[in-house]
Amino acid sequence: AIRMTQSPPSLSASTGDRVTITCRASQPISGYVAWYQQKPGTAPKPLIYAGSSLQSGVPSRFSGSGSGTEFTLTISCLQSEDVANYFCQQYYSYPFTFGQGTRVDIK
Amino acid sequence: QVHLQESAPGLLKPSETLSLTCNVSGDSMTGYYWNWIRQAPGMGLEWIGNAYYRGTTNYNPALESRVTISVDTSRNRLSLSLTSVGAADTAVYYCARGTGSFPGRFDPWGQGAQVTVSS
Repeated sequence: AIRMTQSPPSLSASTGDRVTITCRASQPISGYVAWYQQKPGTAPKPLIYAGSSLQSGVPSRFSGSGSGTEFTLTISCLQSEDVANYFCQQYYSYPFTFGQGTRVDIK
Repeated sequence: QVHLQESAPGLLKPSETLSLTCNVSGDSMTGYYWNWIRQAPGMGLEWIGNAYYRGTTNYNPALESRVTISVDTSRNRLSLSLTSVGAADTAVYYCARGTGSFPGRFDPWGQGAQVTVSS
């Protein structure tokens, strides 16, 4: 199975800050990466697919980049409503696998 | 707009069989893959498996010996069976749709069903 290593496990930043989360795949996966946001008690919400395509309705402060084995999710201007856990996921091959998540808090 | 809703079996005893259903409303199941994903307390997400609308399935090797996933397009329903459950199977179970071209691109998700395994 492809392992997705996500970092950092948690971060704390001020509103308005630029935040970057990284995900590394254990083997090349082209651009087949999705990013999800999960708030407590709710299902994950899709943010990004195909590495860099923004899901409909997602604010433009969210962006994704990368290919091969290194991928990043960036929040350009952190807002209070962005407090959540963020997960990367590869859908290049079965079994589909997720990163362990990054908890984002406001400082 | 498609909506997914999992059933809620609640509490199971060790060695019992978990049975979950996901009702799909607002769209046909035709052309899509239908996935089950779970999340243990305070943990990450684990893909369990999926079924294409025509019935073919794919499973996570870590669970394959205990899992059966099926679709009933006439009832717009997805089902999950997990045998011989133990405490490690305690989790929130989600159903999620994948596209015909990208089975693992999960959108949307159901709200989730809490399953607890305890004697």
